[in-house]
Amino acid sequence: QVQLVQSGAEVKKPGASVKVSCKTSGYSFTDYYMHWVRQAPGQGLEWVGWVNPKNGDTRYALKFQGRVTITRDTSISTVYMELSRLRSDDTAMYYCAREYDFYQYWGQGTLVTVSS
Amino acid sequence: DFVVTQSPDSLAVSLGERATINCKSSQSVLYNSNNKNYLAWYQQRPGQPPKLLIYWASTRESGVPDRFSGSGSGTDFTLTISSLQAEDVAVYYCQQYYSTPRTFGQGTRVEI
Repeated sequence: QVQLVQSGAEVKKPGASVKVSCKTSGYSFTDYYMHWVRQAPGQGLEWVGWVNPKNGDTRYALKFQGRVTITRDTSISTVYMELSRLRSDDTAMYYCAREYDFYQYWGQGTLVTVSS
Repeated sequence: DFVVTQSPDSLAVSLGERATINCKSSQSVLYNSNNKNYLAWYQQRPGQPPKLLIYWASTRESGVPDRFSGSGSGTDFTLTISSLQAEDVAVYYCQQYYSTPRTFGQGTRVEI
């Protein structure tokens, strides 16, 4: 069965970087784009970006460009999202979501807390 | 960017009664070449990731109870829960996947 398993919660100081992983199994890794979506506490869903695991192509939301990098490691079927120059308003749950046009499978989420 | 707006922001429905949530996109999400609406609905229970309920505006995901249905085309869509059950208490989101950036509605909280 398809599984997306994300890395554990992180606590970071303002200005630092965080790298969240999403390990996949149960399907052909390079056949589906992977997206990242975040959700601030008590708020709605916000699209961050995607990666094409086949060739590494990426696309990011305008508000994150220059701060976010999404990569993949095909040898271990894992996607990464790195966010730099963290601010307090980056505190959120970050989800990976496998695209089949819509998001059929989601990771369990990784809570990133930015606090001094 | 496509702006997606849901209404209402919240609603309270008695057990067994109907719940209706509306979703409006600022631009049409109907792709004329395949006649498909690129619109999905998700359910998010507290402490859980979103769960896909409906895609192509009206196709129910496998395993989703048939009390959930989606309708609409172009820019206006509706999610209906025909007979609300206790386990349906959640926040519901619509999302357009016609265009990047992908955009979500602000969510509708359904309570009993």
